[in-house]
Amino acid sequence: DSGVTQTPKHLITATGQRVTLRCSPRSGDLSVYWYQQSLDQGLQFLIQYYNGEERAKGNILERFSAQQFPDLHSELNLSSLELGDSALYFCASSVAGTGLEQYFGPGTRLTVT
Amino acid sequence: GQQLNQSPQSMFIQEGEDVSMNCTSSSIFNTWLWYKQDPGEGPVLLIALYKAGELTSNGRLTAQFGITRKDSFLNISASIPSDVGIYFCAGVNAGKSTFGDGTTLTVKP
Repeated sequence: DSGVTQTPKHLITATGQRVTLRCSPRSGDLSVYWYQQSLDQGLQFLIQYYNGEERAKGNILERFSAQQFPDLHSELNLSSLELGDSALYFCASSVAGTGLEQYFGPGTRLTVT
Repeated sequence: GQQLNQSPQSMFIQEGEDVSMNCTSSSIFNTWLWYKQDPGEGPVLLIALYKAGELTSNGRLTAQFGITRKDSFLNISASIPSDVGIYFCAGVNAGKSTFGDGTTLTVKP
């Protein structure tokens, strides 16, 4: 158990819909990272927050957005969902914002039908 | 953008054998990380490398940060069945992690 929690574990929704994925970092960690893992691809970095502010941005689509709240939990919002958005979405956290020694949550499996 | 080439894509080995995998990039990274992912779970950090030329061990695992800063290697000695999983390398620059596509390891008892 990494100490990072993600909810929900599974999510099934239809194309065009909007969903919110939630992540609680390890106690004491200030930085949160979001990744997408598709079947035929590795882990794609989406976005990083550090202490409530966006720190780094990867290949995140404009239909996706994220935020980190004062209590340091983070939410990833996915809108106008397409079939290709079906994937595992991981959240990771670390103490500092350097990208090092990230601890990953168990992931949310999103299926878009 | 930065890309990592991780090889081999998959490996089928006998229990007790040693394993080697590597990652190469056209870009320089300041840090190299190696993760293992078990089915249905998130990746777990195995080894972190912070300096070019650094050689670090974690039990039966040994990883090296290439001298050019463009590659890294992971070796697993005397493999056991619980070593099965997907191994990912990641290069880190300015907070951004770029992951390789993974090496799937199967260990036959």
